Amino acid sequence: QITLKESGPTLVKPTQTLTLTCTFSGFSLSTSGVGVGWIRQPPGKALEWLALIYWDDNNRYSPSLQSRLTITKDTSKNQVVLTMTNMDPVDTATYYCAHQAAALYFDYWGQGTLVTVSS
Amino acid sequence: DIQMTQSPSTLSASVGDRVSVTCRASQSISSWLAWYQQKPGKAPKLLIYKASSLESGVPSRFSGSGSGTEFTLTISSLQPDDFATYYCQQYNSYWTFGQGTKVEIK
Repeated sequence: QITLKESGPTLVKPTQTLTLTCTFSGFSLSTSGVGVGWIRQPPGKALEWLALIYWDDNNRYSPSLQSRLTITKDTSKNQVVLTMTNMDPVDTATYYCAHQAAALYFDYWGQGTLVTVSS
Repeated sequence: DIQMTQSPSTLSASVGDRVSVTCRASQSISSWLAWYQQKPGKAPKLLIYKASSLESGVPSRFSGSGSGTEFTLTISSLQPDDFATYYCQQYNSYWTFGQGTKVEIK
């Protein structure tokens, strides 16, 4: 059974760096073809893909946010970490991590964590 | 960047209705399209992948069709549990979601 869970601060101040951790079980991020991605959703708005890391340490970033994002993995801890710099109120959103099957779609999602950016 | 446009934004329907949601890609994405269902306060749930393949455990009243730039999600007989927001997502080049279609009770 694949499960994922996001953790991190619920409130960050403008200009600060956000660090979110995705802790997962039921799969290994050292298995060929597996990836874990981050997706966010501002309140009442659509989903936006942010970043993805593959089993082989290759990663992909949203072109519009690439300069602010870093994604890393700790295979031994079954964790993926996303950092986003220079946070702004427009970054207020629910942040989800998700399992990606064979470099394709997202088939398992975490419950999401709401991050509010406010002074 | 590949843009995904869904229509309509909101769809009002009754239990038992046949409903369809359209998703258009700004360029061809072959069949690299997924559909998700999202209920308020919950994570999205995968319904369809590769445009027409039904995810395990998803009721057969859900179906997907299309290829290239135009795709459709159809619910053959709307059930009370189906009132939700539906998103398409392309995975031909990176990953892009549509803006969502809310299916509400008429």
